[in-house]
Amino acid sequence: DVKVTQSSRYLVKRTGEKVFLECVQDMDHENMFWYRQDPGLGLRLIYFSYDVKMKEKGDIPEGYSVSREKKERFSLILESASTNQTSMYLCASSPQVTDTQYFGPGTRLTVL
Amino acid sequence: SQQGEEDPQALSIQEGENATMNCSYKTSINNLQWYRQNSGRGLVHLILIRSNEREKHSGRLRVTLDTSKKSSSLLITASRAADTASYFCATSHGGANSKLTFGKGITLSVRP
Repeated sequence: DVKVTQSSRYLVKRTGEKVFLECVQDMDHENMFWYRQDPGLGLRLIYFSYDVKMKEKGDIPEGYSVSREKKERFSLILESASTNQTSMYLCASSPQVTDTQYFGPGTRLTVL
Repeated sequence: SQQGEEDPQALSIQEGENATMNCSYKTSINNLQWYRQNSGRGLVHLILIRSNEREKHSGRLRVTLDTSKKSSSLLITASRAADTASYFCATSHGGANSKLTFGKGITLSVRP
């Protein structure tokens, strides 16, 4: 079974802090994704990566950056957290960009 | 927006009844996928249907695709309380590195 793990289920940070969310997949997938999910807005793509050290902006990249130094690990970075970044963050991986995506359990981030 | 739109937004049925959920989209697709999300968890892939397919089955799930109407339906037969979840459709619209676009989801409640 594909397994996607995220570093934290719940996280509370203060405004202005630098926040790292980590995601690891064990299926050697080329593609990894970061989404945020907010009530009434569904899933919105922040960034995705189709290879090591490769990244592309999604629909809402502002305020975020990503890092993919190894194939299995994809990190989302909030350089200076703000209250409007309070959300559920979901990581996913897939063998092809348009194929089935396998999701992690999510990280619920609260920025105070 | 290429985002699929699910209908209805919320559905409440009795255990044993069938649940039908719809997804409409605006531009031609490569494939359409349905996912389930239990409360506070990550998404789980249910079914992928390609643009040249009209119907697919998986256990109690049946998905149809009508490309002429740009719509898809997910039918859950003989529903169970454990089917209570949010259901999302996601569409892939082609092109290199074309990403999945998720709808806002349907909340299904199955009453015991």
